[in-house]
Amino acid sequence: EIVLTQSPGILSLSPGERVTLSCRASQSVSSSYLAWYQQKPGQTPRLLIYSVSTRATGIPDRFSGSGSGTDFSLIISRLEPEDSAVYYCQQYDSSLWTFGQGTKVEIK
Amino acid sequence: QLQLQESGPGLVKPSETLSLTCPVSGASISSTNYYWGWIRQPPGKGLEWIGSVFSSGSTSYNPPLKSRLTISVDTSKNHFSLKLTSVTAADTAVYYCARHDYKAFDYWGQGTLVTVSS
Repeated sequence: EIVLTQSPGILSLSPGERVTLSCRASQSVSSSYLAWYQQKPGQTPRLLIYSVSTRATGIPDRFSGSGSGTDFSLIISRLEPEDSAVYYCQQYDSSLWTFGQGTKVEIK
Repeated sequence: QLQLQESGPGLVKPSETLSLTCPVSGASISSTNYYWGWIRQPPGKGLEWIGSVFSSGSTSYNPPLKSRLTISVDTSKNHFSLKLTSVTAADTAVYYCARHDYKAFDYWGQGTLVTVSS
């Protein structure tokens, strides 16, 4: 089973700043099978990025994804107040789906 | 527009069985090449994939839960279901149903809180 480790646990940044969230896998992940989600308090997770770098429908272009193998990143180019949320990475391998533990992004 | 909505008891006693269903509207479960899955989130914690059922009825389960878990699909009712036996307080969580493929979970239900308590 592939384990995903996200870092840092919490980020506190100001609006307009660039944010890079990390997701490291215990084994190599197929580039087709790495996704990112945003979850705001009291809300359902929302798909942001799939296949490492493809934005889901309606996702602003300030969100982007990159990486390969075991190291992946979610980048928010210019942080907006509404981006305050917990972000999760997720992968698929050998009939199992797993999520990272999440990174909380706070707005100063 | 595809919609999913979890349904079931909000309170389950320890050692009993947690049962939830997820009716799907806006698409036929049997006519799509998607998985229909369950994810849970304990209060204040992260997301845990529980297991999934394909439209054909084949299943994949999270190994730590496999011995207690049954996920099934009823195409006549266009819904899928979760049964988790011998529950403990550790099974207290918000339970989500979702549509997904190998790449991502794209449609989610609103989630339902299930508390395990006597």
